[in-house]
Amino acid sequence: AQSVTQLDSQVPVFEEAPVELRCNYSSSVSVYLFWYVQYPNQGLQLLLKYLSGSTLVKGINGFEAEFNKSQTSFHLRKPSVHISDTAEYFCAVSPNTGFQKLVFGTGTRLLVSP
Amino acid sequence: KAGVTQTPRYLIKTRGQQVTLSCSPISGHRSVSWYQQTPGQGLQFLFEYFSETQRNKGNFPGRFSGRQFSNSRSEMNVSTLELGDSALYLCASSPAAGPGEQFFGPGTRLTVL
Repeated sequence: AQSVTQLDSQVPVFEEAPVELRCNYSSSVSVYLFWYVQYPNQGLQLLLKYLSGSTLVKGINGFEAEFNKSQTSFHLRKPSVHISDTAEYFCAVSPNTGFQKLVFGTGTRLLVSP
Repeated sequence: KAGVTQTPRYLIKTRGQQVTLSCSPISGHRSVSWYQQTPGQGLQFLFEYFSETQRNKGNFPGRFSGRQFSNSRSEMNVSTLELGDSALYLCASSPAAGPGEQFFGPGTRLTVL
């Protein structure tokens, strides 16, 4: 079975400051890793994904994440945030064997203030 | 390409009723998954369909069921609604048979009174 831990339920940050949202996972098999963003009253939008290859993954809106297998982490970073980045961010894993199934963390609310 | 569409967007039901939610995947996508999102339990996997077959099911009671049609459109049904079924129900589609990226719809907000 897989599990995902997002230790920070809320991260407040000032506009143009850097931010890191933490994600750790547990799995007995290899996994694919994802970060999704959810704006109020909307579905989930994929920010970036790690399937294989380079451990540094770049996504949309200036976000990037680094897969660290030894620490079982997949932290999300952005060097300079905007007010419009205020949203809920979810880390998710999917076992790379078998079928479509995402296991999500509890989410981190990013609050960007001027 | 049009994205994943879900209907209706909002729904209000009373305890004991049943409800059917609909999901139309992105054209060409054959895998459809359903998730429940609540403030208390977060995002939880309900089930996944591929080529009209349920391939995987989450830990939900039998009141939750679904199906997929030959055109890949999917429906999920919840019978004998309980207050705790109030949630945002998200549908996601994927072109792949195996694990990978899923594209989410806007969700159906179900309120059970």
